[in-house]
Amino acid sequence: DIVMTQSPDSLAVSLGERATISCKSSQSVLYSSNNKNYLGWYQQKPGQPPKVLIYWASTRESGVPDRFSGSGSGTDFTLTISSLQAEDVAVYYCQQYYSTVYTFGQGTKLEIK
Amino acid sequence: EVQMLESGGGLVQPGGSLRLSCAASGFTFSEYGMNWVRQAPGKGLEWVSAISGGGDSAYYANSVRGRFTISRDNSKNTLYLQMNSLRAEDTAIYYCAKDWADGDHFDYWGHGTLVTVSS
Repeated sequence: DIVMTQSPDSLAVSLGERATISCKSSQSVLYSSNNKNYLGWYQQKPGQPPKVLIYWASTRESGVPDRFSGSGSGTDFTLTISSLQAEDVAVYYCQQYYSTVYTFGQGTKLEIK
Repeated sequence: EVQMLESGGGLVQPGGSLRLSCAASGFTFSEYGMNWVRQAPGKGLEWVSAISGGGDSAYYANSVRGRFTISRDNSKNTLYLQMNSLRAEDTAIYYCAKDWADGDHFDYWGHGTLVTVSS
């Protein structure tokens, strides 16, 4: 199975500052036939189901604020929140859907400093 | 509006069985792959199983293969998860999640149903 490893496990950032979360996969999730990375980012707030923020590594889901962005290719990916807002406090997960056995990262808990 | 409502969770003894259901609405159910994802108390997300829109292909996490069976009834817009030989480590909230397209990311999630395996 493809192992997804996020860093850090937790992160405290001041309001208005940038937050960056890393995700590394144990093998490439870049599908060569269409040049798409099969990598998504999800946000989960307490007591709620996850919500997709980014798919194909860098495509923002409709309705997601543009302060959220995704980057990277192959095995190394990053989720960036350009200016942290109070409502962004949540746990963030990356997920690969390249293989038929999907896997998530362990999650990164984002808090306000 | 897309909606998915899970049901069937509850308390079951180790070694027991349970069947979860996910009733979907707001989209053409048969055209989309569906998934089960679980989350143990205070832990992260674990993908459990997926099934194609037509129901002809199914996939499982190693942790549940041979014990869980995913299925769907497209005439009833309902997804199922039959769970047998349950273990304490299967205790979790079980979410159903819709593929954006077959084999793609998950664009809608239900609110989950809690399964507790305990004697």
